Amino acid sequence: DSGVTQTPKHLITATGQRVTLRCSPRSGDLSVYWYQQSLDQGLQFLIQYYNGEERAKGNILERFSAQQFPDLHSELNLSSLELGDSALYFCASSAQPVGDTQYFGPGTRLTVL
Amino acid sequence: GDSVTQMEGPVTLSEEAFLTINCTYTATGYPSLFWYVQYPGEGLQLLLKATKADDKGSNKGFEATYRKETTSFHLEKGSVQVSDSAVYFCALRGGGSNYKLTFGKGTLLTVNP
Repeated sequence: DSGVTQTPKHLITATGQRVTLRCSPRSGDLSVYWYQQSLDQGLQFLIQYYNGEERAKGNILERFSAQQFPDLHSELNLSSLELGDSALYFCASSAQPVGDTQYFGPGTRLTVL
Repeated sequence: GDSVTQMEGPVTLSEEAFLTINCTYTATGYPSLFWYVQYPGEGLQLLLKATKADDKGSNKGFEATYRKETTSFHLEKGSVQVSDSAVYFCALRGGGSNYKLTFGKGTLLTVNP
């Protein structure tokens, strides 16, 4: 158990809908990362937050957004969902914003029908 | 940009066989290198890491040595067990102020009794 929690474990929704994925980092970690794992693209970095502030962006679509709250949990919002958004979404956390080991949560499997 | 190439799977071995999963990388600066493992239905777990050239990471009988001259970080285990069946990901985090992990495509290992 990495100490990173993600909810829900599974999510099934329809095209055009909006969903929110939640992540709680390990106790004491200030940095949260979101990754997407899909069959065609593999594991890709989406976005990083550190202590409530956006720190870095990767291959994140404009339909996707995220935020980190004062209690350090983070939410990833996916809107106008398309079939191609079906994937495993992982959250990871680390103590420092740079140069630190990242610990991953169990993931949320999103299925868009 | 940074990239990781790991051997295509699937790899099927008998219990107690020797395991090698090749991983090579391209990166600017001085990256840190990681192996993560994903057991069926679970998230990514850090298996081992190495942060500078010639470092050897080890855990649970697995080893990998950071070879700067060949830009490689091959994963080895002398005697695999059925419980080692999983997907193995090689990853790097670029040097300097880099933050994100860049992953290889993953190698599925199946160990038969």
